[in-house]
Amino acid sequence: ETGVTQTPRHLVMGMTNKKSLKCEQHLGHNAMYWYKQSAKKPLELMFVYNFKEQTENNSVPSRFSPECPNSSHLFLHLHTLQPEDSALYLCASSQEVAGGYYGYTFGSGTRLTVV
Amino acid sequence: DAKTTQPPSMDCAEGRAANLPCNHSTISGNEYVYWYRQIHSQGPQYIIHGLKNNETNEMASLIITEDRKSSTLILPHATLRDTAVYYCIVRPRNNAGNMLTFGGGTRLMVKP
Repeated sequence: ETGVTQTPRHLVMGMTNKKSLKCEQHLGHNAMYWYKQSAKKPLELMFVYNFKEQTENNSVPSRFSPECPNSSHLFLHLHTLQPEDSALYLCASSQEVAGGYYGYTFGSGTRLTVV
Repeated sequence: DAKTTQPPSMDCAEGRAANLPCNHSTISGNEYVYWYRQIHSQGPQYIIHGLKNNETNEMASLIITEDRKSSTLILPHATLRDTAVYYCIVRPRNNAGNMLTFGGGTRLMVKP
Protein backbone atom coordinates (compact mmCIF):
# COMPACT_ATOMS: atom_id res chain seq x y z
CA GLU A 1 0.00 0.00 0.00
CA THR A 2 1.58 3.24 -1.14
CA GLY A 3 -0.90 5.69 0.35
CA VAL A 4 -2.55 6.22 -3.04
CA THR A 5 -5.53 3.93 -3.61
CA GLN A 6 -7.17 3.38 -6.97
CA THR A 7 -10.46 1.65 -7.67
CA PRO A 8 -11.42 -0.45 -9.44
CA ARG A 9 -8.26 -2.43 -10.19
CA HIS A 10 -9.76 -3.83 -13.37
CA LEU A 11 -12.57 -2.50 -15.55
CA VAL A 12 -14.11 -3.78 -18.77
CA MET A 13 -16.50 -1.42 -20.49
CA GLY A 14 -18.32 -1.13 -23.77
CA MET A 15 -17.84 1.82 -26.08
CA THR A 16 -21.22 3.26 -25.15
CA ASN A 17 -20.80 2.92 -21.39
CA LYS A 18 -20.08 5.61 -18.84
CA LYS A 19 -17.77 4.72 -15.99
CA SER A 20 -15.54 6.48 -13.49
CA LEU A 21 -12.13 5.72 -12.07
CA LYS A 22 -11.45 6.78 -8.50
CA CYS A 23 -8.24 7.76 -6.77
CA GLU A 24 -7.76 8.61 -3.12
CA GLN A 25 -4.55 9.67 -1.41
CA HIS A 26 -3.88 9.51 2.32
CA LEU A 27 -0.57 11.36 2.27
CA GLY A 28 -1.73 14.93 2.76
CA HIS A 29 -0.44 15.89 -0.68
CA ASN A 30 -1.91 18.85 -2.54
CA ALA A 31 -1.27 17.82 -6.14
CA MET A 32 -2.76 14.87 -7.99
CA TYR A 33 -2.23 13.45 -11.47
CA TRP A 34 -3.64 11.04 -14.02
CA TYR A 35 -1.23 9.12 -16.23
CA LYS A 36 -2.01 6.69 -19.04
CA GLN A 37 0.19 3.73 -19.92
CA SER A 38 -0.63 1.95 -23.14
CA ALA A 39 1.01 -1.34 -24.04
CA LYS A 40 4.71 -0.97 -24.80
CA LYS A 41 4.58 2.82 -24.46
CA PRO A 42 5.98 5.19 -21.82
CA LEU A 43 3.69 6.69 -19.24
CA GLU A 44 1.84 9.72 -20.58
CA LEU A 45 0.77 12.54 -18.31
CA MET A 46 -2.92 13.35 -18.87
CA PHE A 47 -4.08 15.79 -16.20
CA VAL A 48 -2.63 17.69 -13.26
CA TYR A 49 -4.53 19.14 -10.32
CA ASN A 50 -2.86 21.47 -7.87
CA PHE A 51 -4.89 22.54 -4.84
CA LYS A 52 -7.99 21.17 -6.62
CA GLU A 53 -7.42 23.37 -9.66
CA GLN A 54 -6.61 21.78 -13.00
CA THR A 55 -3.25 23.16 -14.09
CA GLU A 56 -2.47 20.93 -17.03
CA ASN A 57 -4.38 19.04 -19.70
CA ASN A 58 -2.08 17.38 -22.20
CA SER A 59 -4.43 17.51 -25.18
CA VAL A 60 -6.54 14.70 -23.82
CA PRO A 61 -9.76 13.93 -25.75
CA SER A 62 -12.96 15.17 -24.16
CA ARG A 63 -14.22 11.62 -23.66
CA PHE A 64 -11.92 11.71 -20.60
CA SER A 65 -13.22 14.11 -17.97
CA PRO A 66 -11.34 14.61 -14.70
CA GLU A 67 -12.83 15.81 -11.45
CA CYS A 68 -11.06 16.81 -8.26
CA PRO A 69 -13.59 17.60 -5.52
CA ASN A 70 -10.91 18.00 -2.85
CA SER A 71 -7.18 17.54 -2.50
CA SER A 72 -7.57 13.90 -1.44
CA HIS A 73 -9.80 12.61 -4.22
CA LEU A 74 -9.47 12.49 -7.96
CA PHE A 75 -11.85 10.97 -10.49
CA LEU A 76 -11.58 10.21 -14.18
CA HIS A 77 -14.99 10.05 -15.85
CA LEU A 78 -15.08 7.97 -19.00
CA HIS A 79 -17.67 8.01 -21.77
CA THR A 80 -17.87 6.75 -25.35
CA LEU A 81 -14.34 5.38 -25.23
CA GLN A 82 -12.58 3.64 -28.09
CA PRO A 83 -10.75 0.31 -28.00
CA GLU A 84 -7.43 2.17 -28.34
CA ASP A 85 -8.17 3.77 -24.95
CA SER A 86 -7.53 0.40 -23.33
CA ALA A 87 -4.57 0.94 -21.02
CA LEU A 88 -3.33 1.09 -17.44
CA TYR A 89 -4.50 4.35 -15.85
CA LEU A 90 -2.32 5.49 -13.00
CA CYS A 91 -3.02 8.10 -10.38
CA ALA A 92 -0.24 9.87 -8.52
CA SER A 93 0.07 12.54 -5.88
CA SER A 94 2.81 14.87 -4.73
CA GLN A 95 3.36 17.83 -2.45
CA GLU A 96 3.79 21.25 -4.02
CA VAL A 97 6.05 23.45 -1.94
CA ALA A 98 7.27 26.83 -3.15
CA GLY A 99 6.85 25.84 -6.76
CA GLY A 100 8.49 22.46 -6.52
CA TYR A 101 6.83 19.06 -6.58
CA TYR A 102 8.04 16.47 -4.10
CA GLY A 103 7.36 12.93 -3.09
CA TYR A 104 5.63 11.60 -6.19
CA THR A 105 3.68 8.52 -5.13
CA PHE A 106 1.72 6.33 -7.51
CA GLY A 107 -1.26 4.09 -7.03
CA SER A 108 -1.41 0.57 -8.41
CA GLY A 109 -3.51 1.62 -11.37
CA THR A 110 -6.75 0.61 -13.05
CA ARG A 111 -6.43 -1.79 -15.96
CA LEU A 112 -9.09 -0.63 -18.43
CA THR A 113 -10.29 -2.70 -21.35
CA VAL A 114 -12.69 -1.15 -23.85
CA VAL A 115 -14.66 -3.67 -25.90
CA ASP B 1 13.42 17.82 -18.69
CA ALA B 2 16.80 16.83 -20.09
CA LYS B 3 16.69 13.79 -22.31
CA THR B 4 17.94 10.49 -20.90
CA THR B 5 19.11 7.41 -22.76
CA GLN B 6 18.86 3.94 -21.27
CA PRO B 7 19.37 0.47 -22.75
CA PRO B 8 15.97 -1.08 -23.45
CA SER B 9 16.69 -4.28 -21.59
CA MET B 10 19.22 -6.05 -19.36
CA ASP B 11 19.56 -9.41 -17.68
CA CYS B 12 21.08 -10.10 -14.29
CA ALA B 13 21.68 -13.29 -12.34
CA GLU B 14 19.95 -13.57 -8.98
CA GLY B 15 22.26 -12.58 -6.13
CA ARG B 16 24.58 -10.60 -8.38
CA ALA B 17 24.80 -6.83 -8.62
CA ALA B 18 22.65 -5.19 -11.26
CA ASN B 19 24.23 -2.07 -12.78
CA LEU B 20 21.80 0.02 -14.80
CA PRO B 21 23.34 2.85 -16.85
CA CYS B 22 21.78 6.13 -17.87
CA ASN B 23 23.16 8.85 -20.13
CA HIS B 24 22.02 12.42 -19.58
CA SER B 25 24.61 14.44 -21.46
CA THR B 26 22.45 17.60 -21.63
CA ILE B 27 21.71 17.75 -17.92
CA SER B 28 21.62 21.26 -16.43
CA GLY B 29 23.31 22.36 -13.26
CA ASN B 30 20.08 22.51 -11.26
CA GLU B 31 18.71 19.15 -12.43
CA TYR B 32 18.67 16.10 -10.24
CA VAL B 33 18.83 12.48 -11.39
CA TYR B 34 15.87 10.42 -10.22
CA TRP B 35 15.32 6.69 -10.51
CA TYR B 36 11.95 4.98 -10.40
CA ARG B 37 10.98 1.41 -11.12
CA GLN B 38 7.74 -0.18 -12.25
CA ILE B 39 7.00 -3.77 -11.45
CA HIS B 40 4.59 -5.36 -13.90
CA SER B 41 1.07 -3.86 -13.77
CA GLN B 42 1.86 -1.66 -10.75
CA GLY B 43 2.53 2.05 -10.42
CA PRO B 44 6.10 3.39 -10.55
CA GLN B 45 7.99 3.35 -7.26
CA TYR B 46 10.60 5.90 -6.22
CA ILE B 47 14.06 4.42 -5.66
CA ILE B 48 16.64 7.14 -5.19
CA HIS B 49 17.78 10.54 -6.43
CA GLY B 50 20.95 12.62 -6.43
CA LEU B 51 22.53 15.83 -7.69
CA LYS B 52 26.27 15.20 -7.96
CA ASN B 53 27.35 13.11 -4.99
CA ASN B 54 26.91 9.36 -4.88
CA GLU B 55 23.89 8.31 -2.88
CA THR B 56 22.88 5.11 -1.10
CA ASN B 57 19.72 3.97 0.59
CA GLU B 58 18.17 0.67 1.60
CA MET B 59 17.12 -0.08 -1.96
CA ALA B 60 20.05 0.93 -4.14
CA SER B 61 23.12 3.05 -4.77
CA LEU B 62 23.40 5.85 -7.31
CA ILE B 63 26.75 6.67 -8.86
CA ILE B 64 26.92 9.95 -10.81
CA THR B 65 29.97 10.73 -12.92
CA GLU B 66 31.97 13.83 -12.10
CA ASP B 67 30.78 15.61 -15.25
CA ARG B 68 27.22 14.53 -14.40
CA LYS B 69 26.61 13.36 -17.94
CA SER B 70 25.83 9.81 -16.89
CA SER B 71 24.86 7.76 -13.87
CA THR B 72 24.51 4.16 -12.78
CA LEU B 73 21.91 2.65 -10.52
CA ILE B 74 23.28 -0.30 -8.58
CA LEU B 75 21.14 -3.00 -6.99
CA PRO B 76 23.83 -4.76 -4.93
CA HIS B 77 22.19 -8.19 -4.64
CA ALA B 78 19.42 -8.52 -7.19
CA THR B 79 16.47 -10.75 -6.38
CA LEU B 80 13.70 -12.06 -8.60
CA ARG B 81 11.44 -9.37 -7.14
CA ASP B 82 13.70 -6.72 -8.65
CA THR B 83 12.51 -7.69 -12.13
CA ALA B 84 10.94 -4.45 -13.36
CA VAL B 85 11.28 -1.51 -15.73
CA TYR B 86 13.72 1.04 -14.34
CA TYR B 87 13.32 4.69 -15.31
CA CYS B 88 16.05 7.32 -15.14
CA ILE B 89 14.63 10.85 -15.06
CA VAL B 90 16.36 14.21 -14.77
CA ARG B 91 14.40 17.18 -13.54
CA PRO B 92 14.88 20.32 -11.49
CA ARG B 93 14.06 19.90 -7.84
CA ASN B 94 12.36 23.29 -7.69
CA ASN B 95 10.49 24.17 -10.84
CA ALA B 96 6.82 25.03 -10.85
CA GLY B 97 4.95 23.19 -13.54
CA ASN B 98 7.76 20.71 -14.04
CA MET B 99 5.99 17.39 -13.96
CA LEU B 100 7.45 13.93 -13.73
CA THR B 101 7.76 12.56 -17.27
CA PHE B 102 8.92 9.08 -18.22
CA GLY B 103 10.89 7.66 -21.10
CA GLY B 104 11.11 4.03 -22.15
CA GLY B 105 13.30 2.86 -19.26
CA THR B 106 15.33 -0.34 -18.97
CA ARG B 107 13.55 -3.64 -18.56
CA LEU B 108 15.64 -5.59 -16.03
CA MET B 109 15.12 -9.34 -15.93
CA VAL B 110 16.61 -11.06 -12.90
CA LYS B 111 17.11 -14.74 -13.63
CA PRO B 112 17.57 -17.64 -11.17
